[in-house]
Amino acid sequence: DADVTQTPRNRITKTGKRIMLECSQTKGHDRMYWYRQDPGLGLRLIYYSFDVKDINKGEISDGYSVSRQAQAKFSLSLESAIPNQTALYFCATSGYQGIQETQYFGPGTRLLVL
Amino acid sequence: SQKIEQNSEALNIQEGKTATLTCNYTNYSPAYLQWYRQDPGRGPVFLLLIRENEKEKRKERLKVTFDTTLKQSLFHITASQPADSATYLCALDIGGANNLFFGTGTRLTVIP
Repeated sequence: DADVTQTPRNRITKTGKRIMLECSQTKGHDRMYWYRQDPGLGLRLIYYSFDVKDINKGEISDGYSVSRQAQAKFSLSLESAIPNQTALYFCATSGYQGIQETQYFGPGTRLLVL
Repeated sequence: SQKIEQNSEALNIQEGKTATLTCNYTNYSPAYLQWYRQDPGRGPVFLLLIRENEKEKRKERLKVTFDTTLKQSLFHITASQPADSATYLCALDIGGANNLFFGTGTRLTVIP
């Protein structure tokens, strides 16, 4: 987890507020991802980026935006937070372990929207 | 619609026994399938990957099988230990670009 860091680790905000979750990685990977995890629903992909100039929507991108400031940094924004965005958010990078491409996850950000 | 199911939310097993977790999927033709371990309050950690043309993969006490006809993967932990207690997630890569679709996970508890 130390190669992929997320800030903050916990955040409480109010409905309508704009917030940003940040992710940094030292693995040198080009590909980065944002997921949310909800009980009973598993991990769902919000956005992904294959390099600094390539941003793509995932399964559940509505209400979110992202910014890839550098190869090492990928931020997720909630433009106007709503209670059903309360979840555990994970950032991940993707790279090769031997001949296998796998994902490396950060420790997560627990977000509560009141 | 696309669906990935893991056999149960929770599985309890006695120490030393083999734990078998199931991942079933519909409406996919995955290029490969991955298994991850997740401990409470932490991000998932990669364990094993198996490709569509592979039947079985092993790593130490772990074994994964992949049956594309049944659309099923089985994940085995032999000689289970209390330290194996965690949630295990299967994930499918559909297009081979490492964009993963995850199952909801199975929480394994190994009882001493």
